[in-house]
Parts: sequence; structure tokens; C-alpha cells
Amino acid sequence: EAGVTQFPSHSVIEKGQTVTLRCDPISGHDNLYWYRRVMGKEIKFLLHFVKESKQDESGMPNNRFLAERTGGTYSTLKVQPAELEDSGVYFCASSQDYGETQYFGPGTRLLVL
Amino acid sequence: GESVGLHLPTLSVQEGDNSIINCAYSNSASDYFIWYKQESGKGPQFIIDIRSNMDKRQGQRVTVLLNKTVKHLSLQIAATQPGDSAVYFCAESKYQGGKLIFGQGTELSVKP
Repeated sequence: EAGVTQFPSHSVIEKGQTVTLRCDPISGHDNLYWYRRVMGKEIKFLLHFVKESKQDESGMPNNRFLAERTGGTYSTLKVQPAELEDSGVYFCASSQDYGETQYFGPGTRLLVL
Repeated sequence: GESVGLHLPTLSVQEGDNSIINCAYSNSASDYFIWYKQESGKGPQFIIDIRSNMDKRQGQRVTVLLNKTVKHLSLQIAATQPGDSAVYFCAESKYQGGKLIFGQGTELSVKP
């Protein structure tokens, strides 16, 4: 069974540009989570989807971040416009049912110059 | 690498020895705890989890201990191997399935 996949693996953009990260959860997993680790900090929660609905978006830092999960399958996280402090690693995780273990993808390493 | 700028506690052990990685958690209302292992360039990989109604849980070569009185979690790895070298994160949640709150991580280095 394929694990959580994320695309791209790396992205280097300039401040002010837009970047869209994609996450494909494990097939059949209704729950999808986004986390990130910015330089010097811990991994922090961004938001949680149950199917296509946002269950908890309390970790989204500001309105420059937009997450979608149309159709309840893959999810995208768009940063527009990107700022220097957005640099870090963005992880996606999924779980089959609510209350089950979250399995992480390999992450997207974002560098904003 | 991903750890640049993040000064992680480090633990260095000899191959074959047992390792103990400690973690203090913040919220006494947390009900679910989990350990992840992260190798360079990869995402966190699930190791073992425990609910707050337990104080010990064992897996293959790993044991998690939970002390709710002092809000302390530990991961014990028996007969540590070079492949165990990684950064280990503990995480807590108010309930299983909720958002995870991660600790800063501990870097384990296994000397052959």
C-alpha cells in the first residue's frame, strides 16, 4: 500500500511569489492533516480535514495560507504571497478513521528567498 | 539539513546498549501520546503510542512509559542498532485523532 505522498519534494521561490503544495493521503483515509516545521521551531499543526471539510484550522498562521481538499481526496496548501518566514518543511499526514494513528508523508521543503 | 538552526538534545549510545529518550509534555488534559522517528530527508515515522489510561506499552524492541503525575513520557529502545539513529519526537493530543503537539525532538546517534 502506498504511503502519504507529497509534491514537490523541494521548492525554492522568491518572496512575494505563490507556491502550491500537494498532498495525496493513503487511499481511503478520510482524515488529512497539515503540519510544518519552520527553522528553529518544533513541528506545528496547521489544519485538519475530514473528507472535504475543515475540522480544525486553528493552526493556520494567517490569510496568506489557503488549504483545500475538493472531493475529499488530495489536498493542496497554497501560500500567497510567500514571505521569508514561511521557509521550512511542510508535512502532510493522514488517518483512516477519526481516532487512528496519523501517518506522515516525506514533506515538502520550502525555501523563500 | 532540516536540523540546521534547531539545537536538539542529543543522545549517543553504543550499538547493542539500551537507549532511553525522555520527553516532558505540557498539557495535563492530554489523553494520547505518540512517538515518531524521523530520519534525514524523510517524514516522521510512527513508532508506538499510548493512551492516558495506561502507564506502559511495549512494542518490538521499544517500550513507552507514561508518568502522568510529572507529565513525563519516555521511549526505551532495547539493543540499539545503527539503523535506530534518527531524531525522535514525542507528541501529545487531547484525544486520538486530534491535532498533535510535538516536542522539540532528540537526536539519537548509535556508535558501531
